Amino acid sequence: DTAVSQTPKYLVTQMGNDKSIKCEQNLGHDTMYWYKQDSKKFLKIMFSYNNKELIINETVPNRFSPKSPDKAHLNLHINSLELGDSAVYFCASTVINTGELFFGEGSRLTVL
Amino acid sequence: KNEVEQSPQNLTAQEGEFITINCSYSVGISALHWLQQHPGGGIVSLFMLSSGKKKHGRLIATINIQEKHSSLHITASHPRDSAVYICAVIGGNQFYFGTGTSLTVIP
Repeated sequence: DTAVSQTPKYLVTQMGNDKSIKCEQNLGHDTMYWYKQDSKKFLKIMFSYNNKELIINETVPNRFSPKSPDKAHLNLHINSLELGDSAVYFCASTVINTGELFFGEGSRLTVL
Repeated sequence: KNEVEQSPQNLTAQEGEFITINCSYSVGISALHWLQQHPGGGIVSLFMLSSGKKKHGRLIATINIQEKHSSLHITASHPRDSAVYICAVIGGNQFYFGTGTSLTVIP
């Protein structure tokens, strides 16, 4: 079983649409993250959830909203998509303060 | 200026060479991660360090908290080590990433 799984892996959509990317981890970790990797391959953290509470919220547009229905899931909702939202989005999980990050395979979003 | 600086940005080595990638950071941190991203795009965590040194196979990571510096060493490099290596630090509740070092190991 994949430790951290993201769906969909590829998403092509029009500007202005609303879309979601789902993330699930089966590791029993207490902290999950969303990262954005832009065309220059630069990684930037977007959100972190620890025990269903937001503990990091970088200055991302409020069109992006994380939703965590339970400790094993952290979904990313994006409203009114813009061209600049095209990127690869990675989900990751960890046991906070103990270390290893486990990443999903990434979801490549293309906004046309 | 980025809070995390990596050097070199690009590195080409012959198979078997000893490789060092450096990471310097300017913020107080609770931990530092070394990540590996292969051409296929997947990201793997190699190490998390808060002090000292860790070794896993041919990979060694060190950190000097006083100097705010970490190094990743690869001994007996192999073409399968070709990837982008990313340094990331956790300071407060903030995550900061280096821009990555692209390593190519030639047979």
